[in-house]
Amino acid sequence: QKEVEQNSGPLSVPEGAIASLNCTYSDRGSQSFFWYRQYSGKSPELIMFIYSNGDKEDGRFTAQLNKASQYVSLLIRDSQPSDSATYLCAVRGTGNQFYFGTGTSLTVIP
Amino acid sequence: GAVVSQHPSRVICKSGTSVKIECRSLDFQATTMFWYRQFPKQSLMLMATSNEGSKATYEQGVEKDKFLINHASLTLSTLTVTSAHPEDSSFYICSASIGPGALSTFGSGTRLTVV
Repeated sequence: QKEVEQNSGPLSVPEGAIASLNCTYSDRGSQSFFWYRQYSGKSPELIMFIYSNGDKEDGRFTAQLNKASQYVSLLIRDSQPSDSATYLCAVRGTGNQFYFGTGTSLTVIP
Repeated sequence: GAVVSQHPSRVICKSGTSVKIECRSLDFQATTMFWYRQFPKQSLMLMATSNEGSKATYEQGVEKDKFLINHASLTLSTLTVTSAHPEDSSFYICSASIGPGALSTFGSGTRLTVV
C-alpha cells in the first residue's frame, strides 16, 4: 500500500485559533489528495480535496499541496469545539481506491 | 447526492461463525466498490477492490478465502467474514464511486465484534 504519514497527535488548540494538520506521502506519482474528518465510531466525511500545487480554500478550511516536497496540509481557521475529531489524510490510487494516513486527533478547547 | 447504505451497523457473532456485510449504492450505479477495515485508534486500511461482475482484487496481506467479496450487481457488494475470530473484530467500511476519477462515498460502517 502507498505510505501516507501523519502526526497522530493529539493536537490541542484553543477555540478561535488556527489548527494546522500535516501529511506526507511516499508515491511521487500521486495526483489526488483528500482530507477527511472522522468522529469516533463514524465513517469518514470529506472535508476537502486538492489536485494542484498551491492553496485551495473552502470556508474556514484551506488545503495546501506541495508535490515537490510530497506534502499536504490542512489549515482550520477560527477553530470550533465541533471541529474536534480525527482528521485523515488520503491519497487516491489509480483505481480510485484511497490510502489513508493514521490520522491526527484534534481537540479544540472552548 | 450519492448515498451508500451499509448494513448491519453493528453485529456480534460467535467465534467460528460467518458474517455478511452489505454495501448498497442507493441512487447511483457503482462499478467499483472498496472495502476498508479500521482497528481501534488506527487508520482505515484498504482490504480489497470490488468490481461488478468480476473477482475482487485484494490488498497484500488480506486473506481472500477469509474475506469473501461478491459484487453481483452495480448497486450491491457484500463482504463475508468467514470463520470469524476475535482478532477480526473491527470497523468495516465500504465506499463506492460512479467511475474512475469520481469522488467516492463512504458507507456508515459496520462494527463487528467476535466473541
